[in-house]
Amino acid sequence: NAGVTQTPKFQVLKTGQSMTLQCAQDMNHNSMYWYQQDPGMGLRLIYYSASEGTTDKGEVPNGYNVSRLNKREFSLRLESAAPSQTSVYFCASSETGGTGELFFGEGSRLTVL
Amino acid sequence: GEDVEQSLFLSVREGDSSVINCTYTDSSSTYLYWYKQEPGAGLQLLTYIFSNMDMKQDQRLTVLLNKKDKHLSLRIADTQTGDSAIYFCAERDDKLIFGTGTRLQVFP
Repeated sequence: NAGVTQTPKFQVLKTGQSMTLQCAQDMNHNSMYWYQQDPGMGLRLIYYSASEGTTDKGEVPNGYNVSRLNKREFSLRLESAAPSQTSVYFCASSETGGTGELFFGEGSRLTVL
Repeated sequence: GEDVEQSLFLSVREGDSSVINCTYTDSSSTYLYWYKQEPGAGLQLLTYIFSNMDMKQDQRLTVLLNKKDKHLSLRIADTQTGDSAIYFCAERDDKLIFGTGTRLQVFP
């Protein structure tokens, strides 16, 4: 079972470059999320998508854009990377209702020089 | 606003019990969760408790919820080296809000 798959796992960018983090889930979940993790800061929600065709801002959306391409895929784009965006990014998905358990990918480690 | 707080570190000897504490602010939370993150991996759900419960036990894990004080704890009995990880408390209203995480280190 693949679950939630993120690519790439590692990326180094120069300031000002752009890139897209890809996420796909095979559990037929309606909701998908992008989180940012920094040491001592926990996980902060960047954007989420409650269903195909909808996206909403989380706590820290500035500098990011998202696309819910279809039910399976939810991508995160950095248009002009900054060193402050050096972080680990996690994609997650969940069913609607129920216990609300989130299923996470393994993370994408991004360094901006 | 919503806020979930945890202490950053806990160190215990193998075989002892570990208690990880969490305080939250949103009294309307329907579920409260404990997630575990091992090095280099994503988070995995460890256990959860519904807001109308006081306690939940699952093998070596005991979750206690004090709604009056908005305090949640996770007790791990007979802690093993494999329990070394970061543990996140989270609360859910319409979205999931995570705490800062507690790094548990287990030494022999």
